[in-house]
Amino acid sequence: QKEVEQNSGPLSVPEGAIASLNCTYSDRGSQSFFWYRQYSGKSPELIMFIYSNGDKEDGRFTAQLNKASQYVSLLIRDSQPSDSATYLCAVTGAGGYNKLIFGAGTRLAVHP
Amino acid sequence: DGGITQSPKYLFRKEGQNVTLSCEQNLNHDAMYWYRQDPGQGLRLIYYSQIVNDFQKGDIAEGYSVSREKKESFPLTVTSAQKNPTAFYLCASSTGQGSTFGSGTRLTVV
Repeated sequence: QKEVEQNSGPLSVPEGAIASLNCTYSDRGSQSFFWYRQYSGKSPELIMFIYSNGDKEDGRFTAQLNKASQYVSLLIRDSQPSDSATYLCAVTGAGGYNKLIFGAGTRLAVHP
Repeated sequence: DGGITQSPKYLFRKEGQNVTLSCEQNLNHDAMYWYRQDPGQGLRLIYYSQIVNDFQKGDIAEGYSVSREKKESFPLTVTSAQKNPTAFYLCASSTGQGSTFGSGTRLTVV
């Protein structure tokens, strides 16, 4: 079992819709959870981080964390074509050093 | 502006050659990391360092080496022992609230 799993997609949504991206992780000791956006050929950029169970909102983005289910998600409201990218879920592993363990990413395509 | 600078952007390596990828940060971050990304895949950790003169192997350290002589610098050497080095290499630094990435180096074996 991979440590961080994501559906590779592509996830296709119409412009203006809500895009829902999901991620599960295997290490119950994980403390911090991150969502990165990566455009083709570019480096990842941090969108959201969440530490506590529940929801965290930032503009059009909402991160949701459920530690009991080992599940973290990212909702993108009012999706725009510019949101089309690969979204990487990352969690900190056990052992400190804030090492991030990445999922393989979900490719999102927002069509007009 | 604070950030992470990676160079070169593109690098071509001949068989059996060692090459060094540069990573410099002015964010005053203690932790630095090197990741490798292959097409269509996520990031895999090569090496990481929490403090100067200390570094740890990640998941795929074989064929790579690093040094951390200064807080600002964390160069990665891809040695001839790395048999499949063609990939996108990303350097990052962190305070714990997520990592900031450089723009990456695309390495190709010719």
